[in-house]
Order: sequence, then C-alpha cells, then structure tokens
Amino acid sequence: NAGVTQTPKFQVLKTGQSMTLQCAQDMNHEYMSWYRQDPGMGLRLIHYSVGAGITDQGEVPNGYNVSRSTTEDFPLRLLSAAPSQTSVYFCASSPPSGRAGDTQYFGPGTRLTVL
Amino acid sequence: AQTVTQSQPEMSVQEAETVTLSCTYDTSESDYYLFWYKQPPSRQMILVIRQEAYKQQNATENRFSVNFQKAAKSFSLKISDSQLGDAAMYFCAYRKNSGGSNYKLTFGKGTLLTVNP
Repeated sequence: NAGVTQTPKFQVLKTGQSMTLQCAQDMNHEYMSWYRQDPGMGLRLIHYSVGAGITDQGEVPNGYNVSRSTTEDFPLRLLSAAPSQTSVYFCASSPPSGRAGDTQYFGPGTRLTVL
Repeated sequence: AQTVTQSQPEMSVQEAETVTLSCTYDTSESDYYLFWYKQPPSRQMILVIRQEAYKQQNATENRFSVNFQKAAKSFSLKISDSQLGDAAMYFCAYRKNSGGSNYKLTFGKGTLLTVNP
C-alpha cells in the first residue's frame, strides 16, 4: 500500500491564483481530513469528509473548498490564493470506527508559498 | 471545545540521557484517546505512542513511555536513552471517542527537541 499520497510536494503561487492540492489514499478509509500547519500553531483542521459525497468544515475553512467524489480522493482547492495561506498542508485518512488502533494516517505534506 | 497545551516550545537533551515532554489538555469527555506524534525535518507525521483514557496502565513503546494522569489532565512523554534520531518536533494530540469522531485530532503547538551529541 502507498498509504496517503499528496501532490505536489512544493508549490509557489502568486496572490489571486488558484490551485488544487491532491490527496489520495489506498487503504479504503472512509474518513479523510485536511490540516494546515503554521509555525507555532500546531496542525489545524480545514475540512473533512466522512465518506464519498459528504464534506464539512473544520476550524479554519475560509478560502478553501473540498469535494469527495470517490473514497480514494479528497482534493483541496484554493480559489484565490492569499499570502495568509502560506503554510504546510497535510492530508490524513482514517477508518471511522474510533478504536485506539485506528488513528489517522498522514500524507507527506505540501509546502505552499503564496507571494 | 477541547484544547491541548504544550508549555515547552523547545527542549534539549544529551545523547543517552532521558527527557520528558509535557502536555496538558482540557476536555469534558470521559472517553478519549491521546497521542504523541513526531515530526522530523522530513515533515512526515509519525505516530510515537497512544493512550486510551480508560486504561490505567501507561503506554510504553520501546524507549518511549507516557505518564498519563487523567484527573490532572496531563499526558507527558518520556524518552529514555535519547538518540540523535529523536531530534524532531513533537506534537501532543487528542481525539474524543464518540462515534464517528475519527476525522479530527486536536493538536498542541509542539515542542522542538534537540539532541546534543
């Protein structure tokens, strides 16, 4: 299994540009989440999905859109990039059972810089 | 809302020595899980150890162990025989155990651990 994969690993955008961060998992996990990591802030939840066709907002959803058309994929869209969105983005997946062993599995992250 | 606090932004330890990283949390839930994640310079988030709130026994994984004090809402990580490869950012995280809650971890702000040779 490849686990959770993210592309690209690095990206530089200009203010106002749009882009999509890709996330895929091959573990047949129902739950997928997007976090952003800023210096001194830990990881904060942007959006999440509990299954194909179902998404909801996390703590910091403004400026981001998501969709979940398949179990495997959960892309994150920036419609009009702003310097405040400069961050490292992590995608994670997990099964829904909530057992102790079922923690979240994280992708390698995407470092995004908005100029 | 649940919060996780790591009061030590940075810590350092000599190789082969022991270091303890602190974490406190606030929750009104009685059933939850606590985790320590390691993030080396590669950025990858690596699960180090996990603790179920209902278990009295502290979790241990090789050189890593926790001191879980449920009444005090404290969850510290002890690293014994520190190695150069332990140098990383360490995050404490919380997740409640109600049905369908496995999409969200609440993280602390992290502790940067330096290991000196």
